Amino acid sequence: NAGVMQNPRHLVRRRGQEARLRCSPMKGHSHVYWYRQLPEEGLKFMVYLQKENIIDESGMPKERFSAEFPKEGPSILRIQQVVRGDSAAYFCASSPDGTGHGYTFGSGTRLTVV
Amino acid sequence: AQSVTQPDIHITVSEGASLELRCNYSYGATPYLFWYVQSPGQGLQLLLKYFSGDTLVQGIKGFEAEFKRSQSSFNLRKPSVHWSDAAEYFCAVVNSGGYQKVTFGIGTKLQVIP
Repeated sequence: NAGVMQNPRHLVRRRGQEARLRCSPMKGHSHVYWYRQLPEEGLKFMVYLQKENIIDESGMPKERFSAEFPKEGPSILRIQQVVRGDSAAYFCASSPDGTGHGYTFGSGTRLTVV
Repeated sequence: AQSVTQPDIHITVSEGASLELRCNYSYGATPYLFWYVQSPGQGLQLLLKYFSGDTLVQGIKGFEAEFKRSQSSFNLRKPSVHWSDAAEYFCAVVNSGGYQKVTFGIGTKLQVIP
């Protein structure tokens, strides 16, 4: 069981570029959550997705950020026109049934905007 | 809305001393409670979790936590700290009903001195 896989582990982007972060949930998990950890802050919820559906995006910035979880393939968190303030660690978690049981985090993607 | 408070941002203990990290939560119903540990530049590792039953929960690495409903607390303890325990510790709460968005505390950074 490979666990929740996130890639890349580290991503460097220049201001104005796009960042794409990938998350492959654990086998059998169809619920995916994205969190952001800013320096010296705790983790903040961004978005909750099930296959092909966004269930809750209340934590997503209104502009430049989007997420998807297609029928096939990993979940993608996309940040357009990145700015320095987007530099953070982005964590993905998955669960099999949307409950607290089996909630598992990936190792994160550390985005640096230069 | 649910919330988690970790009142201690930084804690320093001597190696071999006992440790208690405080966590208070705010949630109307019975929550699911978690403690995670994060080493610098690393992902989140689950130490232990409480869903129901025995209020004293044993976790990995010799950690335990006690759920006290009357105090809305879920403090993490270890009888004898090792230098390798130096890390950041996050308390988290999840709804026991509905879908499970995790709310994290801001974290407590633990420093262990020889």
